[in-house]
Amino acid sequence: DAKTTQPPSMDCAEGRAANLPCNHSTISGNEYVYWYRQIHSQGPQYIIHGLKNNETNEMASLIITEDRKSSTLILPHATLRDTAVYYCIVDSTGTASKLTFGTGTRLQVTL
Amino acid sequence: NAGVMQNPRHLVRRRGQEARLRCSPMKGHSHVYWYRQLPEEGLKFMVYLQKENIIDESGMPKERFSAEFPKEGPSILRIQQVVRGDSAAYFCASSPEVAGLGETQYFGPGTRLLVL
Repeated sequence: DAKTTQPPSMDCAEGRAANLPCNHSTISGNEYVYWYRQIHSQGPQYIIHGLKNNETNEMASLIITEDRKSSTLILPHATLRDTAVYYCIVDSTGTASKLTFGTGTRLQVTL
Repeated sequence: NAGVMQNPRHLVRRRGQEARLRCSPMKGHSHVYWYRQLPEEGLKFMVYLQKENIIDESGMPKERFSAEFPKEGPSILRIQQVVRGDSAAYFCASSPEVAGLGETQYFGPGTRLLVL
């Protein structure tokens, strides 16, 4: 199974961009990178996913390196409501049927 | 996660009782997943079901736990003879289909089970 490594915690000032890194050096060619977040014990919220190309949606941008061994989730203008645990997940089954959540990065957005 | 409904949101049981957790997937979704989150830990996959079929139950404890997703009605996660170690948040997720195409799962708000 492809594993991910994330820093345990990060701080970001409100209004600034939050850049959350993730290493997945053992990722295989058909595995997607997913990002979810969990705000204070709520259900995880889907953010974005990608395979090879960079992706952007209304919530965030996902930058995947050319060798696909790492990626960065970018929240362009962090707000206090973005304070959460962010999970980087590589779909190890190839079918998105069993998401494996690690310990994630606890992002604290401050005034 | 709008659309995935779980009930009850909070459930208190005494040791030895049964707990029944319900999950109604988003409209149009036919795949359901159950996860468990122990205090201060990440989510752990339990089981993946389609209508009337268990596809992957590799994360389910061998005893006391069962899950179903009948043709009609919600998916049910059943825990028999609960013990204090079963206290956790149980999350349900759904997706419209599963393929190697990056389909996503959408999560419900969870059921917090407390075993006294």
